[in-house]
Amino acid sequence: AQTVTQSQPEMSVQEAETVTLSCTYDTSESDYYLFWYKQPPSRQMILVIRQEAYKQQNATENRFSVNFQKAAKSFSLKISDSQLGDAAMYFCAYRSARGGSNYKLTFGKGTLLTVNP
Amino acid sequence: DSGVTQTPKHLITATGQRVTLRCSPRSGDLSVYWYQQSLDQGLQFLIQYYNGEERAKGNILERFSAQQFPDLHSELNLSSLELGDSALYFCASSVGGRENQPQHFGDGTRLSIL
Repeated sequence: AQTVTQSQPEMSVQEAETVTLSCTYDTSESDYYLFWYKQPPSRQMILVIRQEAYKQQNATENRFSVNFQKAAKSFSLKISDSQLGDAAMYFCAYRSARGGSNYKLTFGKGTLLTVNP
Repeated sequence: DSGVTQTPKHLITATGQRVTLRCSPRSGDLSVYWYQQSLDQGLQFLIQYYNGEERAKGNILERFSAQQFPDLHSELNLSSLELGDSALYFCASSVGGRENQPQHFGDGTRLSIL
């Protein structure tokens, strides 16, 4: 079974600064997808960014980028120019890409990000 | 707005009762997933339906059941409720059958057991 570990229960960053959230995962599969979801106080689950394991290039979405290290099974999220609206719980998630699988998401425990003005 | 609609937003009930949570997926999405988010267990996959048929089960209790109807909306039924069932229940949908499509989440139903 796949597992996802987020070792930082809480992180804080100053507005306009850069912060990196860590995520490691364990899998025996070679094809999979990785995601970062954001959950603000409103409790919505918002997709931030995704990475296909077969792609070597790191995904980027505006101020959000990832550092995907497949051999190390590491998938960190970098938030640049942090804004007050970035304050939220961030979840790392894994999904198999194996044919016939159910494509469920396996989540880490989350990292609570505080942005200080 | 993700396009996934969950009702009700909040539900307060007592132990031993039965409730039904409803989910309408995004237009065109065939797969529906149910997740439970609780303080002690985190976010856990419960069950998936694809085009009306059960595709996979996760950590779903026998007291819980779900179904997906011909119009693709889904319902999660929780019975003999216990205090520990208090949680945020999410529904997510995806196109289904195409693993490169992400899951989009509804706003969740907050279930409180008194």
